[in-house]
Amino acid sequence: EPEVTQTPSHQVTQMGQEVILRCVPISNHLYFYWYRQILGQKVEFLVSFYNNEISEKSEIFDDQFSVERPDGSNFTLKIRSTKLEDSAMYFCASSEGGAGKNIQYFGAGTRLSVL
Amino acid sequence: GESVGLHLPTLSVQEGDNSIINCAYSNSASDYFIWYKQESGKGPQFIIDIRSNMDKRQGQRVTVLLNKTVKHLSLQIAATQPGDSAVYFCAENSGEGFQKLVFGTGTRLLVSP
Repeated sequence: EPEVTQTPSHQVTQMGQEVILRCVPISNHLYFYWYRQILGQKVEFLVSFYNNEISEKSEIFDDQFSVERPDGSNFTLKIRSTKLEDSAMYFCASSEGGAGKNIQYFGAGTRLSVL
Repeated sequence: GESVGLHLPTLSVQEGDNSIINCAYSNSASDYFIWYKQESGKGPQFIIDIRSNMDKRQGQRVTVLLNKTVKHLSLQIAATQPGDSAVYFCAENSGEGFQKLVFGTGTRLLVSP
């Protein structure tokens, strides 16, 4: 069964460093998303991406965040200068799109630990 | 504003019982709802979805009920099994197209053998 894959599973970084979280969405999907989940809290939307551009973003997704689809298979989230409060699980999701096909399928996540 | 919340943070049941997990939403413009299951250390796993033009939808051992009058969503799991133990989230989509999901706080389901 096709699945969303994310790497790495755990990323440890120093405050102020740049990190790139990587995702490979399901191959025939057209819509891509990043969410985050701070430990013990609910899943929060960060950004959605379609047709090589951001279609919606939350207030969390400030200038320190960026997304990119560098090739036909990868979808990345970059945090330019990490802060302690960026520590969380980051989930990538994708959906096929089209009527009745907007179920978002999630990857297993990347745990980001900012020290 | 938008908010999706759950009434019960933890639900404990015996194996074989039926489980009901509830969710309240506040955005009357929401037209699509999804239930996800999240096991420890994993990402949310799709269970079942429902659109606002329906009030009930059934899957394998699961049923979702939508009451738009009181803005309430529930997930019923029949013959609950230990493997059903997880955190369950409801999520709503109120945007056009395929935009963000707003997740609820989550209910932890504990199934005892």
